[in-house]
Amino acid sequence: NAGVTQTPKFQVLKTGQSMTLQCAQDMNHEYMSWYRQDPGMGLRLIHYSVGAGITDQGEVPNGYNVSRSTTEDFPLRLLSAAPSQTSVYFCASSERQGYHGYTFGSGTRLTVV
Amino acid sequence: AQSVTQPDIHITVSEGASLELRCNYSYGATPYLFWYVQSPGQGLQLLLKYFSGDTLVQGIKGFEAEFKRSQSSFNLRKPSVHWSDAAEYFCAVGAWMDSSYKLIFGSGTRLLVRP
Repeated sequence: NAGVTQTPKFQVLKTGQSMTLQCAQDMNHEYMSWYRQDPGMGLRLIHYSVGAGITDQGEVPNGYNVSRSTTEDFPLRLLSAAPSQTSVYFCASSERQGYHGYTFGSGTRLTVV
Repeated sequence: AQSVTQPDIHITVSEGASLELRCNYSYGATPYLFWYVQSPGQGLQLLLKYFSGDTLVQGIKGFEAEFKRSQSSFNLRKPSVHWSDAAEYFCAVGAWMDSSYKLIFGSGTRLLVRP
């Protein structure tokens, strides 16, 4: 089925460890983004990309890196995990920067201990 | 600054009762407005969207929303709630910020449905 695929679904990290959250979409969407969801705070934009080779920071980019080498993939890297990064992470994609709504992945629940 | 406010953190309604979830936004121009629903452990699903034209928009699952420019509101409604509607609902506004288009979310309203 067409859509946005996120892996892994769950992950536990120790403080200081690094990891990459994977996101792939098969809809040929130009725009991809990463959000984190924390209780009572809605979804906050971490990084986004308007096309292959182009990325930019969102509202809460510190501690995260991204790259966009292909249209399909938009991985999110945590270089040195901190407990404050415990959250649920969602990847989303859309045509034309989201004028017609985003398609979301099912999320990655990350716990940093 | 652009923002979205959902004033109700939780709402409880009885099955079969009507529902209205409130959403207010702050944005200088005509916004792109969205409602998303999130079932437990799932991603977000688009319920409906407003860009222009008729201010009453219909969505999936029997939901509708009305854009009121004078009140900066985009409230979500459903005439008769089903138990399967229990979920978290997010209002969002699409806005141009720092020369790029971004989707800004409210903090969400959790809907509980009494049998």
